[in-house]
Amino acid sequence: DAGITQSPRYKITETGRQVTLMCHQTWSHSYMFWYRQDLGHGLRLIYYSAAADITDKGEVPDGYVVSRSKTENFPLTLESATRSQTSVYFCASSDTGTGRGAYEQYFGPGTRLTVT
Amino acid sequence: GQSLEQPSEVTAVEGAIVQINCTYQTSGFYGLSWYQQHDGGAPTFLSYNGLDGLEETGRFSSFLSRSDSYGYLLLQELQMKDSASYFCAVRAFYNQGGKLIFGQGTELSVKP
Repeated sequence: DAGITQSPRYKITETGRQVTLMCHQTWSHSYMFWYRQDLGHGLRLIYYSAAADITDKGEVPDGYVVSRSKTENFPLTLESATRSQTSVYFCASSDTGTGRGAYEQYFGPGTRLTVT
Repeated sequence: GQSLEQPSEVTAVEGAIVQINCTYQTSGFYGLSWYQQHDGGAPTFLSYNGLDGLEETGRFSSFLSRSDSYGYLLLQELQMKDSASYFCAVRAFYNQGGKLIFGQGTELSVKP
């Protein structure tokens, strides 16, 4: 399927467990992003990546780890899940960062994560 | 710090015009974008202003005044399907691709 996909779409896990959320895009976009969305907080950037093997922290990186060995994949790992990480997680991608890619991001459908 | 301010809620009736304002305080500024998000869905891009003035896309228009650190999204001929959350987002970083700072969103309710 063309576009940007996330898996799983829904996940329930227990406190202390490690969880990995997957993100895959087929456009070969250079930039990829992970956001979390909580009621009243809008979209907060967790991590972003400018290219394979290049990642950087966003606004709320604590408790999360990312990797990007291939351009098309950008997994997000919660090393030891906490209840405060219950949220909706969105992955997004954008083109090279010039022109339209500098301001238009394409979002995946989201993963609803519940930590009990 | 970096901050964007937009109203949390706006209500309007079908067929009317509504304006959603966004003011920003960021260390850098290279453009203002607007995104729409329906309940349970993903954000989708609506419009972008890199320079001062009005950009029109069908029923939606977006305005920017860089001197006032202010922009707005104007929705005309409102339809029920326009009920959604609307986010302004600032491109605040040069040469960091599409990295954006998002506002907290405005929930628009369109009533019949």
